[in-house]
Parts: sequence; C-alpha cells; structure tokens
Amino acid sequence: SQQGEEDPQALSIQEGENATMNCSYKTSINNLQWYRQNSGRGLVHLILIRSNEREKHSGRLRVTLDTSKKSSSLLITASRAADTASYFCATDNAGGTSYGKLTFGQGTILTVHP
Amino acid sequence: GAGVSQSPRYKVAKRGQDVALRCDPISGHVSLFWYQQALGQGPEFLTYFQNEAQLDKSGLPSDRFFAERPEGSVSTLKIQRTQQEDSAVYLCASRPGAQGSSNQPQHFGDGTRLSIL
Repeated sequence: SQQGEEDPQALSIQEGENATMNCSYKTSINNLQWYRQNSGRGLVHLILIRSNEREKHSGRLRVTLDTSKKSSSLLITASRAADTASYFCATDNAGGTSYGKLTFGQGTILTVHP
Repeated sequence: GAGVSQSPRYKVAKRGQDVALRCDPISGHVSLFWYQQALGQGPEFLTYFQNEAQLDKSGLPSDRFFAERPEGSVSTLKIQRTQQEDSAVYLCASRPGAQGSSNQPQHFGDGTRLSIL
C-alpha cells in the first residue's frame, strides 16, 4: 500500500515559474527521496534528505523536511519545459529492515508550458 | 553497463500464460529491487536481493510471482498463470551497497510494461 500522499496531483505552470510539490507520510523515516519519471521511462533520482536534515539544495531543486509534521516539499525554481514529468516522493521507513526498500507516494504530474 | 537494463520493454501475454522479465543491474551493484507500478500510481515494492540472496519477498502479491538472482547479477521476475490484474509496469532498481546503505539512491531501469489480455 502507498504510504505517501502527494499534492497537488497535477500542476500546470508556465516556463520560468516555480513549482512546489508536497508529500506527507505516516511513519518515522530514515530518509526521504524525490524521483522524477518521464512518460514511459524509469525513475531518476533527484535528491535525498536524511531524517536529521531540514533543508537541502541541488541546482534548481530545494527540498525541505519537517519530521514533526511528517511532510516534505520539493521546490523547482525557474522551471523549464524539460521539467515536465511525474514527481514522486519515497520514504525509507525506520524501524524495519536496514536495506532501504522505498515506499512511494502517488506522485504529482507537472506540466511546464513553453 | 551504463545503467540498469530491462527486457523486454513491452510484453503482451494471454491470461494464464507464464512470463519472465529480465533485469541487468549496474555492474557491481550489490542490492537489487523489483517494484510494480500500476497505471497512474507510484511504484510498490515487490522483493529485494543482496547479491544472490533474496532477503525480502514480502511484496510479492501471490505465490504466482517468483524472483531469482542466481549469480548475484542478472535477476529474473517470473509470473505464472498470469491474470489481468498483473498488468502493470515492472521496474528494477539497483544500488551499489548492501544493507545499511539506504542513504545511497536507487538506479532504476525503464521497466517492462506487461499487458495481460
């Protein structure tokens, strides 16, 4: 079963605008990861944030993590048409196995119009 | 290879047939995962291998699903007596480290899209 809830389910913006996607989860985690999936392709890892971190940056990506609210957000700044894809958050849940199987949310479909 | 390779990319089978899906992980990667992704949903965990050992198969939906990785590299996911509800994309992912390396990202293949008629 899916642990995460992502919102919005779909987001449509113009090139140059910022896109923010949110993810909530239910159990304690070791880390939270964001992946991108282009249509018909596999998932590409974007960024990983550990449970003891609050914010992380990578290029145009900014991820925040609030473990007290069990939520995370992904911000893509200055979006480009090439950012059009589905975005998934995934959690490595604490208290279970140590090999890091991921529990994914349902994803946000981002469309960036040129 | 440069990335995780899965074959075939597309598979159409009639209900009741057996299918085999192949995953070639990145060379040297110890950990290998299989996920199932239904249309419009996020991937769901099926099974995990550390080298040739299948350490977790808790996500396999039924005993019709079987996975192996006999030499610790290539893995095969087999589905026997396929049902329509098995239609999905099956994704394979690999990671360099073993247990305790969950802070390493997983590298995904492009998946096999399975359609059961």
